[in-house]
Amino acid sequence: AQTVTQSQPEMSVQEAETVTLSCTYDTSESDYYLFWYKQPPSRQMILVIRQEAYKQQNATENRFSVNFQKAAKSFSLKISDSQLGDAAMYFCALRSGTYKYIFGTGTRLKVLA
Amino acid sequence: EPEVTQTPSHQVTQMGQEVILRCVPISNHLYFYWYRQILGQKVEFLVSFYNNEISEKSEIFDDQFSVERPDGSNFTLKIRSTKLEDSAMYFCASSRSPKPYSNQPQHFGDGTRLSIL
Repeated sequence: AQTVTQSQPEMSVQEAETVTLSCTYDTSESDYYLFWYKQPPSRQMILVIRQEAYKQQNATENRFSVNFQKAAKSFSLKISDSQLGDAAMYFCALRSGTYKYIFGTGTRLKVLA
Repeated sequence: EPEVTQTPSHQVTQMGQEVILRCVPISNHLYFYWYRQILGQKVEFLVSFYNNEISEKSEIFDDQFSVERPDGSNFTLKIRSTKLEDSAMYFCASSRSPKPYSNQPQHFGDGTRLSIL
């Protein structure tokens, strides 16, 4: 079975500081893709960053980067220089040998001014 | 940037009634999806749709659910006889690539909040 686990229901970070959101997953497939989505209150889910499992290099998108540890099946999201607009629900998602995403339960990120 | 649009944003329906949730995927996308999120729970996959047929569905997507692409732009989710437990946020998504082994992301709409009374 494929699973995604986000063990942090809520995190807080001071504006301009760095925060890391955790995600672990499980799949028996060798070819899969991992995604982080951001969901602001009452808004759509927006893709933040994606990682192909076959790529060893960690993905980076501006202030967002991942720490992809394939052997440990870990896919954490690091947000640098946090901004008030980063406050949202963050979902980790896995797509593995199928069309669908498997989502984690989400981490609510609060950014403190 | 093109977006997935969903209507209505909020739908209130009596239990036992039929409801249709509407989505307009991004125009050059080929794959369409429905997910739902019961309040306080994780987002769950319902169904994927490609080339005018269902390509995959979850155990949640039982006989009371159906999907349709009635024209070149809309993608609908119909719930035939709604139950209280169908109350949730329903998200439509679309993606460009027809292949499951692809890094093309799914693009999500704002969601329709369905409340069953």
